Amino acid sequence: EAQVTQNPRYLITVTGKKLTVTCSQNMNHEYMSWYRQDPGLGLRQIYYSMNVEVTDKGDVPEGYKVSRKEKRNFPLILESPSPNQTSLYFCASSGRPGLAAQYFGPGTRLTVL
Amino acid sequence: GENVEQHPSTLSVQEGDSAVIKCTYSDSASNYFPWYKQELGKRPQLIIDIRSNVGEKKDQRIAVTLNKTAKHFSLHITETQPEDSAVYFCAASMGSGDKLTFGTGTRLAVRP
Repeated sequence: EAQVTQNPRYLITVTGKKLTVTCSQNMNHEYMSWYRQDPGLGLRQIYYSMNVEVTDKGDVPEGYKVSRKEKRNFPLILESPSPNQTSLYFCASSGRPGLAAQYFGPGTRLTVL
Repeated sequence: GENVEQHPSTLSVQEGDSAVIKCTYSDSASNYFPWYKQELGKRPQLIIDIRSNVGEKKDQRIAVTLNKTAKHFSLHITETQPEDSAVYFCAASMGSGDKLTFGTGTRLAVRP
Protein backbone atom coordinates (compact mmCIF):
# COMPACT_ATOMS: atom_id res chain seq x y z
CA GLU A 1 0.00 0.00 0.00
CA ALA A 2 1.34 3.41 -1.03
CA GLN A 3 1.70 5.58 2.02
CA VAL A 4 3.49 8.24 4.03
CA THR A 5 4.19 7.30 7.64
CA GLN A 6 5.22 9.42 10.60
CA ASN A 7 6.41 8.53 14.07
CA PRO A 8 5.59 9.18 16.77
CA ARG A 9 1.95 10.14 16.35
CA TYR A 10 1.80 11.85 19.72
CA LEU A 11 4.62 13.28 21.80
CA ILE A 12 4.77 15.29 25.00
CA THR A 13 8.20 16.62 25.88
CA VAL A 14 9.90 19.36 27.87
CA THR A 15 11.67 22.49 26.76
CA GLY A 16 15.18 21.89 25.49
CA LYS A 17 15.03 18.12 25.07
CA LYS A 18 16.09 17.24 21.52
CA LEU A 19 13.63 15.20 19.51
CA THR A 20 13.22 13.73 16.05
CA VAL A 21 10.01 13.06 14.16
CA THR A 22 10.52 10.50 11.42
CA CYS A 23 8.83 10.52 8.02
CA SER A 24 8.99 7.78 5.45
CA GLN A 25 7.35 7.18 2.07
CA ASN A 26 7.27 4.03 -0.04
CA MET A 27 6.33 5.61 -3.38
CA ASN A 28 9.82 6.53 -4.56
CA HIS A 29 8.82 10.20 -4.56
CA GLU A 30 11.44 12.86 -5.12
CA TYR A 31 9.68 15.66 -3.26
CA MET A 32 9.18 15.63 0.50
CA SER A 33 8.22 18.43 2.87
CA TRP A 34 7.19 19.29 6.42
CA TYR A 35 4.32 21.48 7.64
CA ARG A 36 2.94 22.66 10.92
CA GLN A 37 -0.74 23.32 11.45
CA ASP A 38 -1.96 25.78 14.05
CA PRO A 39 -5.54 27.02 14.65
CA GLY A 40 -6.31 30.09 12.60
CA LEU A 41 -3.00 29.92 10.73
CA GLY A 42 -3.63 26.97 8.45
CA LEU A 43 -0.69 24.95 7.19
CA ARG A 44 2.75 26.49 7.03
CA GLN A 45 5.71 24.92 5.29
CA ILE A 46 8.78 24.33 7.45
CA TYR A 47 11.26 22.69 5.05
CA TYR A 48 11.14 20.96 1.72
CA SER A 49 13.39 18.64 -0.22
CA MET A 50 13.50 18.18 -3.96
CA ASN A 51 15.81 15.15 -3.84
CA VAL A 52 18.44 13.39 -1.78
CA GLU A 53 20.81 15.89 -0.15
CA VAL A 54 18.75 18.81 -1.52
CA THR A 55 16.78 20.71 1.12
CA ASP A 56 15.64 24.28 1.54
CA LYS A 57 13.72 26.45 3.97
CA GLY A 58 10.01 27.00 3.82
CA ASP A 59 8.16 29.84 5.49
CA VAL A 60 8.80 28.91 9.15
CA PRO A 61 12.16 27.09 9.43
CA GLU A 62 13.41 28.67 12.66
CA GLY A 63 14.09 26.07 15.36
CA TYR A 64 13.94 23.09 12.99
CA LYS A 65 16.44 21.01 11.06
CA VAL A 66 16.00 18.36 8.41
CA SER A 67 18.12 15.91 6.48
CA ARG A 68 17.54 13.85 3.35
CA LYS A 69 20.16 11.13 3.22
CA GLU A 70 17.86 8.60 1.58
CA LYS A 71 15.04 9.13 -0.87
CA ARG A 72 12.39 7.52 1.33
CA ASN A 73 13.17 9.28 4.64
CA PHE A 74 12.92 12.92 5.68
CA PRO A 75 13.23 13.36 9.47
CA LEU A 76 12.37 16.61 11.25
CA ILE A 77 14.71 17.50 14.10
CA LEU A 78 14.00 19.92 16.94
CA GLU A 79 17.35 20.53 18.61
CA SER A 80 15.99 22.53 21.53
CA PRO A 81 12.17 22.50 21.51
CA SER A 82 10.28 25.43 22.95
CA PRO A 83 6.58 25.79 23.89
CA ASN A 84 5.87 27.80 20.72
CA GLN A 85 6.67 24.66 18.72
CA THR A 86 3.65 22.93 20.22
CA SER A 87 1.67 22.09 17.08
CA LEU A 88 0.35 19.43 14.73
CA TYR A 89 3.03 18.42 12.25
CA PHE A 90 2.50 16.85 8.84
CA CYS A 91 5.01 15.32 6.51
CA ALA A 92 4.17 15.09 2.80
CA SER A 93 5.58 13.59 -0.35
CA SER A 94 4.94 14.09 -4.04
CA GLY A 95 5.77 12.38 -7.28
CA ARG A 96 4.00 15.10 -9.27
CA PRO A 97 6.39 17.57 -10.89
CA GLY A 98 5.97 21.04 -9.45
CA LEU A 99 3.94 20.01 -6.40
CA ALA A 100 5.56 19.74 -2.97
CA ALA A 101 2.65 17.97 -1.24
CA GLN A 102 0.61 15.28 -2.96
CA TYR A 103 0.19 12.81 -0.09
CA PHE A 104 0.31 13.68 3.59
CA GLY A 105 1.31 11.55 6.53
CA PRO A 106 -1.11 11.01 9.43
CA GLY A 107 0.32 13.83 11.52
CA THR A 108 2.28 14.13 14.77
CA ARG A 109 0.79 16.07 17.65
CA LEU A 110 3.64 17.60 19.63
CA THR A 111 3.30 19.28 23.00
CA VAL A 112 6.32 21.07 24.48
CA LEU A 113 5.96 21.91 28.17
CA GLY B 1 7.34 35.93 -0.25
CA GLU B 2 4.02 34.62 -1.45
CA ASN B 3 0.85 35.49 0.46
CA VAL B 4 -2.41 33.60 -0.06
CA GLU B 5 -5.70 34.93 1.26
CA GLN B 6 -8.76 32.70 1.45
CA HIS B 7 -12.44 33.61 1.88
CA PRO B 8 -14.79 32.93 3.49
CA SER B 9 -13.41 31.40 6.66
CA THR B 10 -16.69 29.56 7.26
CA LEU B 11 -19.43 28.60 4.84
CA SER B 12 -22.73 26.86 5.50
CA VAL B 13 -24.88 25.58 2.62
CA GLN B 14 -27.96 23.43 2.23
CA GLU B 15 -27.42 19.98 0.82
CA GLY B 16 -27.71 20.11 -2.95
CA ASP B 17 -26.65 23.76 -3.20
CA SER B 18 -23.33 24.96 -4.60
CA ALA B 19 -20.37 26.21 -2.57
CA VAL B 20 -17.67 28.60 -3.76
CA ILE B 21 -14.38 29.32 -2.00
CA LYS B 22 -12.10 32.07 -3.25
CA CYS B 23 -8.37 32.66 -2.90
CA THR B 24 -6.05 35.43 -3.99
CA TYR B 25 -2.28 35.27 -4.28
CA SER B 26 0.36 37.97 -4.35
CA ASP B 27 3.29 36.62 -6.38
CA SER B 28 2.70 36.65 -10.12
CA ALA B 29 5.41 33.98 -10.49
CA SER B 30 3.14 31.41 -8.82
CA ASN B 31 1.82 29.00 -11.41
CA TYR B 32 0.48 25.92 -9.62
CA PHE B 33 -2.62 26.02 -7.43
CA PRO B 34 -3.68 22.90 -5.52
CA TRP B 35 -6.69 22.49 -3.27
CA TYR B 36 -6.86 20.23 -0.23
CA LYS B 37 -9.70 18.86 1.84
CA GLN B 38 -9.21 18.05 5.52
CA GLU B 39 -11.89 16.20 7.41
CA LEU B 40 -12.02 16.51 11.18
CA GLY B 41 -9.07 14.76 12.79
CA LYS B 42 -7.68 13.58 9.44
CA ARG B 43 -4.76 14.49 7.23
CA PRO B 44 -5.17 16.92 4.29
CA GLN B 45 -6.00 15.31 0.95
CA LEU B 46 -5.25 16.76 -2.46
CA ILE B 47 -8.58 17.02 -4.30
CA ILE B 48 -7.81 19.05 -7.42
CA ASP B 49 -5.10 21.29 -8.80
CA ILE B 50 -4.64 23.68 -11.70
CA ARG B 51 -1.66 25.07 -13.50
CA SER B 52 -1.47 28.61 -14.77
CA ASN B 53 -1.70 27.61 -18.42
CA VAL B 54 -5.24 26.37 -17.79
CA GLY B 55 -8.23 28.57 -16.94
CA GLU B 56 -10.55 25.91 -15.60
CA LYS B 57 -10.42 22.28 -14.53
CA LYS B 58 -13.29 20.03 -13.53
CA ASP B 59 -13.49 16.68 -11.76
CA GLN B 60 -17.02 15.41 -11.25
CA ARG B 61 -18.69 17.81 -8.77
CA ILE B 62 -15.66 19.96 -8.12
CA ALA B 63 -14.08 22.54 -10.38
CA VAL B 64 -11.38 25.13 -10.05
CA THR B 65 -11.09 28.37 -12.01
CA LEU B 66 -8.06 30.62 -12.32
CA ASN B 67 -7.79 34.28 -13.27
CA LYS B 68 -4.09 35.04 -13.68
CA THR B 69 -4.63 38.70 -14.43
CA ALA B 70 -6.52 39.28 -11.19
CA LYS B 71 -4.38 36.72 -9.31
CA HIS B 72 -7.28 34.80 -7.90
CA PHE B 73 -8.58 31.25 -8.12
CA SER B 74 -11.72 29.59 -6.85
CA LEU B 75 -13.05 26.17 -5.88
CA HIS B 76 -16.59 25.32 -6.90
CA ILE B 77 -18.47 22.38 -5.43
CA THR B 78 -21.84 21.58 -6.99
CA GLU B 79 -24.66 19.45 -5.61
CA THR B 80 -23.09 19.48 -2.17
CA GLN B 81 -23.48 16.45 0.08
CA PRO B 82 -22.98 16.05 3.85
CA GLU B 83 -19.69 14.23 3.21
CA ASP B 84 -18.36 17.43 1.62
CA SER B 85 -18.31 18.96 5.11
CA ALA B 86 -14.63 19.64 5.90
CA VAL B 87 -12.00 22.35 5.95
CA TYR B 88 -10.73 23.28 2.50
CA PHE B 89 -7.32 24.84 1.90
CA CYS B 90 -6.06 26.54 -1.21
CA ALA B 91 -2.35 26.86 -1.91
CA ALA B 92 0.03 28.45 -4.36
CA SER B 93 3.37 27.27 -5.65
CA MET B 94 5.88 28.38 -8.25
CA GLY B 95 5.60 24.94 -9.72
CA SER B 96 9.11 23.72 -9.20
CA GLY B 97 8.18 21.43 -6.32
CA ASP B 98 9.49 23.73 -3.69
CA LYS B 99 7.72 26.37 -1.65
CA LEU B 100 4.03 25.84 -1.07
CA THR B 101 2.02 28.60 0.61
CA PHE B 102 -1.43 27.82 2.00
CA GLY B 103 -4.49 29.90 2.65
CA THR B 104 -5.91 29.84 6.17
CA GLY B 105 -8.75 27.48 5.30
CA THR B 106 -12.54 27.50 4.85
CA ARG B 107 -14.74 25.41 7.10
CA LEU B 108 -17.61 24.14 4.95
CA ALA B 109 -20.73 22.76 6.61
CA VAL B 110 -23.37 21.08 4.46
CA ARG B 111 -26.75 20.99 6.19
CA PRO B 112 -28.83 17.89 5.41
